[in-house]
Formats: sequence, structure tokens, C-alpha cells
Amino acid sequence: GAGVSQSPSNKVTEKGKDVELRCDPISGHTALYWYRQSLGQGLEFLIYFQGNSAPDKSGLPSDRFSAERTGGSVSTLTIQRTQQEDSAVYLCASSFWGSSYNSPLHFGNGTRLTVT
Amino acid sequence: GENVEQHPSTLSVQEGDSAVIKCTYSDSASNYFPWYKQELGKRPQLIIDIRSNVGEKKDQRIAVTLNKTAKHFSLHITETQPEDSAVYFCAASRGSYQLTFGKGTKLSVIP
Repeated sequence: GAGVSQSPSNKVTEKGKDVELRCDPISGHTALYWYRQSLGQGLEFLIYFQGNSAPDKSGLPSDRFSAERTGGSVSTLTIQRTQQEDSAVYLCASSFWGSSYNSPLHFGNGTRLTVT
Repeated sequence: GENVEQHPSTLSVQEGDSAVIKCTYSDSASNYFPWYKQELGKRPQLIIDIRSNVGEKKDQRIAVTLNKTAKHFSLHITETQPEDSAVYFCAASRGSYQLTFGKGTKLSVIP
């Protein structure tokens, strides 16, 4: 079946511009996660959705970052007034339940964001 | 919160040799420990996981061991092959949605 789909796969933007990253989770998965992967670093948690609500936004680095999820499916991560330090691979993952113990995460291929 | 340390950051082995990657965690309440493999330019994929009620789990050439007392767990790959070359991430969780990842180990298998 179809896996987690992210678009675009690559995005180059100028400093100060806004960007939107999209994630289509696996159908039927109620939980959705955004992670950031910087060079040489691990997977940094950004936000978790259960259905359309985000009970944990604690990983968002600043108020320039926001995310929403609609219809319990597609999610968009928006970065306003991009900075060079925002350059990274943004990974989306989904799982059937919001419990890693019972429901492993399935990742998308990520969006590589480069801010020039 | 949970903190996961992973070592080594890079590892080179000859084809056919074994590779071991180690992780330590800080939260004694963590009970779920997955390992993800990320090949260059691809998505992380779950390769094996272990829950706190067992000490070892095997799947063909891959095994994971867990020492709850010492709060560490390890990934063992035997008879390594070039296709095992990738970045491997360990993670720990209390079983909720929260997964804390290590910084990854880049494994290179030299033919």
C-alpha cells in the first residue's frame, strides 16, 4: 500500500520567505508527527497530532513554525520568515495509534529545505 | 525528559564481520526501544524493536539486547553485507507517542 508521502522533496528558498511543507500520512493512521533532521544530528521532534488536534507542540523551535492537520489526514508545516538555520530535512511520520509501544512510526522520505 | 546517547557516531567494518551499536537512556520508565535504518537519501525504516519485558530479540542477522538495570541497549549485526551500509538510529519511549532518538551511527561495510 501507499506509504507516507511528503512534498516537495526539495525546496530552496530565500531567507525571509515563507514555506509550506506537506505530508500525506498512511490512510487510517490517526497519529502524525513532524521531525527535523539536521546534518550530523538525530531526529528532533517538532509536533504531534492525534486526529486534527496537536496535544504536543513543544518541539516547535520558535513562533515562526506552525502546523495544522485537516480531516484527520493531510498536514502542513509552515515556516515563516525562513532563516538559514532552518535548513534541514523535515520528516513526517504517521502511526495507527499515538502509542509507539503498540504502533510503530512510518516515515516519509522527507523534504530537504535549503534557505539561501 | 528522556535523553538517548548513541555510540559510535561512525563505524567501519569489513564485509562479513559483526557490527555493534550501543545506546544508553536516562528515563527508567522507558519500555520500548526501536531501531531505524536510514539509507542515503531515503526514509528511516524500522528494522527491529524490543520491549522492556524481554532481554533479547533476533531477526535473521540482526539482534537487539536490552539491559534495564544499566539502562542500555545494543544493536548487533552479524555477517555484515554492503547493503547494511546506512545510518542507524536508536530510540526510547515510555510507550506513548514520544520517541526520543539518538544522533545516529553511520555504518560503512567495506567489501
